[in-house]
Amino acid sequence: EPEVTQTPSHQVTQMGQEVILRCVPISNHLYFYWYRQILGQKVEFLVSFYNNEISEKSEIFDDQFSVERPDGSNFTLKIRSTKLEDSAMYFCASSEGRTRAYEQYFGPGTRLTVT
Amino acid sequence: LAKTTQPISMDSYEGQEVNITCSHNNIATNDYITWYQQFPSQGPRFIIQGYKTKVTNEVASLFIPADRKSSTLSLPRVSLSDTAVYYCLVGEGYGGSQGNLIFGKGTKLSVKP
Repeated sequence: EPEVTQTPSHQVTQMGQEVILRCVPISNHLYFYWYRQILGQKVEFLVSFYNNEISEKSEIFDDQFSVERPDGSNFTLKIRSTKLEDSAMYFCASSEGRTRAYEQYFGPGTRLTVT
Repeated sequence: LAKTTQPISMDSYEGQEVNITCSHNNIATNDYITWYQQFPSQGPRFIIQGYKTKVTNEVASLFIPADRKSSTLSLPRVSLSDTAVYYCLVGEGYGGSQGNLIFGKGTKLSVKP
């Protein structure tokens, strides 16, 4: 069964450093998403991406965040200058298309720890 | 987006049927009801979606009354591996939606032997 993969599984970084979280969505999917989950809290939407541009973003997704699909398979989330409060699990997800946008396939997540 | 209310936690035993009810009093005409499951340290996983009446797949059933102000996720004969958090989401499902899922706190289901 196809699945979304994410690397690394755990990333430790110092405050102020840049991090790039990587995702490989399911190959025939057209919509891509990033979510985050702070420990013990709910899953929060960050951004959706379609046709090489951002479709929608939440208030959390400020200028410190950016997304990119550098090639035909990878989808990345960059945090330019990490803060302590960015520590969370980051999930990438993908879905087939607009009519099935509700059925998203999530990756295993990257645990980001900012010290 | 319609606000949803579901129990914070539920306990069950292996082999029992579990029903988790979600209230969504201000559901809109175009809204669909979607359920996700999340195991610890994993990403959420889609379970089922419905609009009205009953939907069944290989994992669960979803019951939606005529007024659509609530819905019930039914898990038949649960096992220990069904221990997870279950989320009820309400929003536009087909077209017109950007697809961003809005998760609440969910219901933590604990299945005991």
